[in-house]
Amino acid sequence: AQSVTQLGSHVSVSEGALVLLRCNYSSSVPPYLFWYVQYPNQGLQLLLKYTTGATLVKGINGFEAEFKKSETSFHLTKPSAHMSDAAEYFCAVRPNQAGTALIFGKGTTLSVSS
Amino acid sequence: DTAVSQTPKYLVTQMGNDKSIKCEQNLGHDTMYWYKQDSKKFLKIMFSYNNKELIINETVPNRFSPKSPDKAHLNLHINSLELGDSAVYFCASSQLTSDETQYFGPGTRLLVL
Repeated sequence: AQSVTQLGSHVSVSEGALVLLRCNYSSSVPPYLFWYVQYPNQGLQLLLKYTTGATLVKGINGFEAEFKKSETSFHLTKPSAHMSDAAEYFCAVRPNQAGTALIFGKGTTLSVSS
Repeated sequence: DTAVSQTPKYLVTQMGNDKSIKCEQNLGHDTMYWYKQDSKKFLKIMFSYNNKELIINETVPNRFSPKSPDKAHLNLHINSLELGDSAVYFCASSQLTSDETQYFGPGTRLLVL
């Protein structure tokens, strides 16, 4: 069965610092990979996804993630944090088969201080 | 023009009551989902429908019954509500392809007293 591990339930950075949120997956076959962001009392918004092709994926709001098959990782990064980036971030995987559900990690709360 | 909408946004009710949550999507998608987010923010799939047909039915109490009157709507009815049902329920939709992206609604925050 597939699973997702997000290392660090809470990450704190200063404004302007690098953001690194870690995600590792467990799967016998490379799945499709997603990062979603959830702002307080809101739904989930897709940041970026990897399905096939280029392993470095760029998303919205300056975020990017790199799929590393050898490390079974899909870490999310942003060069310079903004206060508005403070939110809950979820890594998710899905088998590369139509109609399957997302399997989520437990989430990482990102705090940004001035 | 909300892509995936849910009503109500907040729902406070007593144990034992029956309640429904509605979801509508205007993205033209053919697949819809219900996810539950618990108090620790963990998200887990409950159900999924494709063109009104149930395709995912995870192990949830049979007090939960989804209904899809058409491919743009997916409702969730909950009978005999329990304290443990308190959670945020998210609807999502996608187009059934291998690399589909699921788009989420704003959530319904259910509190059972």
